[in-house]
Amino acid sequence: KNQVEQSPQSLIILEGKNCTLQCNYTVSPFSNLRWYKQDTGRGPVSLTIMTFSENTKSNGRYTATLDADTKQSSLHITASQLSDSASYICVVSAKSNYQLIWGAGTKLIIKP
Amino acid sequence: GAVVSQHPSWVICKSGTSVKIECRSLDFQATTMFWYRQFPKQSLMLMATSNEGSKATYEQGVEKDKFLINHASLTLSTLTVTSAHPEDSSFYICSARDWDPVEADTQYFGPGTRLTVL
Repeated sequence: KNQVEQSPQSLIILEGKNCTLQCNYTVSPFSNLRWYKQDTGRGPVSLTIMTFSENTKSNGRYTATLDADTKQSSLHITASQLSDSASYICVVSAKSNYQLIWGAGTKLIIKP
Repeated sequence: GAVVSQHPSWVICKSGTSVKIECRSLDFQATTMFWYRQFPKQSLMLMATSNEGSKATYEQGVEKDKFLINHASLTLSTLTVTSAHPEDSSFYICSARDWDPVEADTQYFGPGTRLTVL
């Protein structure tokens, strides 16, 4: 069964600190993996997209990694800001039908 | 970048009434649009896939007669919640797919519509 699991479920850190969010998946055949940021009451916004051959991709203070062998991905946030408070969702696309498999998300709270 | 809008951004209605939500792709043509529902503290759940000019494909457990979807043009899809009840209160999000030869399944999301049924 295609599944995406994220950890932790929630995370509270102080402003300026770094953090890493985890995503494990069992989607096959794999097409790509995306990390989305969703602010409360808003639609998701894409941060990164990674295909099978990519190991690392950065977008400003966000760096995503992908290990296709172990089917794991991480999202690292550097020098966190208050505006980073949001839910971060890992989404994996199945190559067979481009179906999106959604993780439950990690709710990140940045405290001043 | 591709922009998707939704209208209204929030709506409050009485139980038993119908509500229509619009989803528009502003700067690209979307042959396929998707409708999602999101309950508090949960991730998005796909309700249906809407292809321009044809009937929508509904996910298992989603009542097609209750959630009417129309995709009459390449830039507009509408979701009508018929005879709404309090349990239909949720955050409804649409997305539009802009076909890319590399990132074939790129979906751009609207800002969402908060529906509250009293």
